[in-house]
Amino acid sequence: QKEVEQNSGPLSVPEGAIASLNCTYSDRVSQSFFWYRQYSGKSPELIMSIYSNGDKEDGRFTAQLNKASQYVSLLIRDSQPSDSATYLCAVNTGGGNKLTFGTGTQLKVEL
Amino acid sequence: EAGVAQSPRYKIIEKRQSVAFWCNPISGHATLYWYQQILGQGPKLLIQFQNNGVVDDSQLPKDRFSAERLKGVDSTLKIQPAKLEDSAVYLCASSPRQEIYGYTFGSGTRLTVV
Repeated sequence: QKEVEQNSGPLSVPEGAIASLNCTYSDRVSQSFFWYRQYSGKSPELIMSIYSNGDKEDGRFTAQLNKASQYVSLLIRDSQPSDSATYLCAVNTGGGNKLTFGTGTQLKVEL
Repeated sequence: EAGVAQSPRYKIIEKRQSVAFWCNPISGHATLYWYQQILGQGPKLLIQFQNNGVVDDSQLPKDRFSAERLKGVDSTLKIQPAKLEDSAVYLCASSPRQEIYGYTFGSGTRLTVV
């Protein structure tokens, strides 16, 4: 079992719709969870962090965490073509401060 | 605040040659990471430094890869000799001390081994 799993996609949504990106992790002691956005040919950019169960909202982005189910998700409301990118889920693993990344989900927002 | 600086941006070498990458973290950031990102995959941690000491190098192929962090600031990652499968983007990231913050990545070095 991979430490951090994501569907590779592509996930296609129409402009203005809600995009839902999901991630599961295997390390039960993980405490910190992050979502990165990566445009083609660019380096990952941090867009959300979440540490407690529940929802955390920042603009059009909402991160959701359920530690009991070892599940974290990212919702993007009112999706725009500029949101088209690969979204990487990252989880701190091994009890330290290193992050383990999933393979990423490619999101395509269509006009 | 200046970001994480990396150089070069691109490098093309032949297999069995050597190559080195350089990283300058955000000022004051004690923790520095080198990640390898192969096309279509997520970043994979190669090595983590805390100041100038190695915290984790469990996934560093030590027969060919080496890294050092001089005086707890700049870092270099070296590959010698390179293999075709080393073709990837090498990302450097830094974070303050031991707390879990989201990393800030540099722009990366794209290595092509032919």
